[in-house]
Amino acid sequence: GAVVSQHPSWVICKSGTSVKIECRSLDFQATTMFWYRQFPKQSLMLMATSNEGSKATYEQGVEKDKFLINHASLTLSTLTVTSAHPEDSSFYICSAITPGLAGNYNEQFFGPGTRLTVL
Amino acid sequence: GENVEQHPSTLSVQEGDSAVIKCTYSDSASNYFPWYKQELGKRPQLIIDIRSNVGEKKDQRIAVTLNKTAKHFSLHITETQPEDSAVYFCAAVKGEGTALIFGKGTTLSVSS
Repeated sequence: GAVVSQHPSWVICKSGTSVKIECRSLDFQATTMFWYRQFPKQSLMLMATSNEGSKATYEQGVEKDKFLINHASLTLSTLTVTSAHPEDSSFYICSAITPGLAGNYNEQFFGPGTRLTVL
Repeated sequence: GENVEQHPSTLSVQEGDSAVIKCTYSDSASNYFPWYKQELGKRPQLIIDIRSNVGEKKDQRIAVTLNKTAKHFSLHITETQPEDSAVYFCAAVKGEGTALIFGKGTTLSVSS
C-alpha cells in the first residue's frame, strides 16, 4: 500500500511553454501533498505544501505564479511550470501523507519523480 | 525556519566497516527525523526514522540516535555492504508541521 505515482516520468519542452506534472496517491487519500525540486547532485528542496481544497503554501523564494499547484482531490495534485526556461530543468518529486495509515503519521510517500528538460 | 546540516558530504568505507553520518537541525519544535537512501534517478527510500520522544532506534544493521538537547541526530550503518552505496539524506520536520527539510546529502561508497 501507500503508492504514489507521477506522470509523466520525463518531459522535454521548449523554452516559454508550460508543463503540467501530475502526482497521484493510488491506494490512499492524501490530505497533504508536497512538491520538491532536486537539481543534479543536490538535495531535495521543498517547493510547496498542498492541502486538498485550499491554496498551496510556497516556500520562500519559490514563485507561486510560475509554479502553479492545484490539489483538487484527495488523490491528485498537479504542478504546472509556466513559461518554462532552461534553469527550470530539474527533477521534480512529489510526496504525500495521510493520517489514515496506521503507525507513522509523518511518513511521506514519494512519487518516482519527473525529469523536466527545458530546451 | 528549519535548517538541517549534514556531514560528511562523502564517505568511503571498506566492506564490513561501519559508517556514521551526522546531522544537526535548528528548529527545537521539530519532532520527526527520517533518513532516506536515494539511488541515482530514483525516489528517496525511507530507511529509518525517529521521533523526538525516543533517543535511539535500531533496525538490523541500521540505527539512528537523537540528542534533542544538542539538536543532533546520526545514522549508523554497521557491516556495510557494496549495495549500501548510495546517497543518504537526513531530514527534519519543519516546526510542528509535516513538511520535511532535507540535509545536503552524503554519498556513501562501500568498496569490496
